[in-house]
Amino acid sequence: AQTVTQSQPEMSVQEAETVTLSCTYDTSESDYYLFWYKQPPSRQMILVIRQEAYKQQNATENRFSVNFQKAAKSFSLKISDSQLGDAAMYFCAYTYQAGTALIFGKGTTLSVSS
Amino acid sequence: GAVVSQHPSRVICKSGTSVKIECRSLDFQATTMFWYRQFPKQSLMLMATSNEGSKATYEQGVEKDKFLINHASLTLSTLTVTSAHPEDSSFYICSLGLPFGEQFFGPGTRLTVL
Repeated sequence: AQTVTQSQPEMSVQEAETVTLSCTYDTSESDYYLFWYKQPPSRQMILVIRQEAYKQQNATENRFSVNFQKAAKSFSLKISDSQLGDAAMYFCAYTYQAGTALIFGKGTTLSVSS
Repeated sequence: GAVVSQHPSRVICKSGTSVKIECRSLDFQATTMFWYRQFPKQSLMLMATSNEGSKATYEQGVEKDKFLINHASLTLSTLTVTSAHPEDSSFYICSLGLPFGEQFFGPGTRLTVL
């Protein structure tokens, strides 16, 4: 069975600093999708970044980038130049096929201090 | 991205009553939608997959007679919590699965059963 593990329940970072959130997953599939979602206090789930397993290049979206290590089944999220608005719960998610349900990790609560 | 709406955003009901939650896809046809449940400070847990024009697929442990799902059109899926009890109090979120892999989520419905 596919699983997603986030081993950091809580993380903290100062404004303008960089933080990395960890995620590992387990699957026997060779092609799949990985995502990071952000859930602020409003509880609206927001897509931060996505990665297709067949792509070797790490995805980047402005201040957000991932380190995708397929062999190690690792998918970490790096947030650069952290802002107060980045404070939220972050979920790593996996799906083996487009249009199928996501499997979520337990989440990491990120706090940002000024 | 896609826009998904949910109604109502909050509902309080008495034990034993039924509550209907609507999930609408505003700009994409939704042959498949997903319903998740989230307890405070926890991850999202998939309840069921809603399929347009056919029966929903429920996850193990989810009572299909208690959580009725109807997906009668390409833009609307509904979740009805029948004979609600306090333990059904939770945050319910629907999502739209797109062919690109990611899902877009509704803003969620907070259900409180007294």
